[in-house]
Amino acid sequence: DIQMTQSPSSLSASVGDRVTITCRASHSIGNYLNWYQQKPGKAPNLLIYAASSLQSGVPSRFSGGGFGIDFTLTITSLQPEDFATYYCQQSYTTPVTFGQGTRLEIK
Amino acid sequence: EVQLLESGGGFVQPGGSLRLSCAASGFTFSSYAMTWVRQAPGKGLEWVSSISATGDTAYYADSVKGRFTFSRDNSKNTLYLQMNSLRAEDTAVYYCAKVRLLYTYGPAMHWGQGTLVTVSS
Repeated sequence: DIQMTQSPSSLSASVGDRVTITCRASHSIGNYLNWYQQKPGKAPNLLIYAASSLQSGVPSRFSGGGFGIDFTLTITSLQPEDFATYYCQQSYTTPVTFGQGTRLEIK
Repeated sequence: EVQLLESGGGFVQPGGSLRLSCAASGFTFSSYAMTWVRQAPGKGLEWVSSISATGDTAYYADSVKGRFTFSRDNSKNTLYLQMNSLRAEDTAVYYCAKVRLLYTYGPAMHWGQGTLVTVSS
């Protein structure tokens, strides 16, 4: 199975900050890497697919990068509604696997 | 507007069975692969199963293989997850989700609201 490791597990930041979350795959997955945002009690929401493609309707302050093993999710100019938990997911092969999540909190 | 509505969750004893349904609307259902993802209370996301657009092929997590069966009825725009031999560790909110076109098991671009399955004696 491909293991997905996110860092950090939690992060405190302020409105207006720029933050970067990283995701590392245990094997190369090309660009089959997706990012989701989840707020408490809600279903996840797709932000980025294919490592760097912005899902329709997602603000442009979200961006993704990387290929192969190392990936990033960057949020520029944090907004109050961005405080949530973020998950990476590899969809290169089954079993599909998620990272453990990164909780983004208000400082 | 894409809508996915799960139902069938509830309380069941270990060893019991449940069948989840997911009614889809607002898109050409038969063109998209679909997937189930679950989330245990206070935990992260776990992929459960995915199914091809035609329903010919289904993929399963090792944790549910042999116990869960994912199927679809494209004439009714409905998904089914038959869950047998349920265990306490299957307790979770189960989400159905629509996979982005031309992909097999991800990314999931639309999600239902989830249905809670509780397995306990």
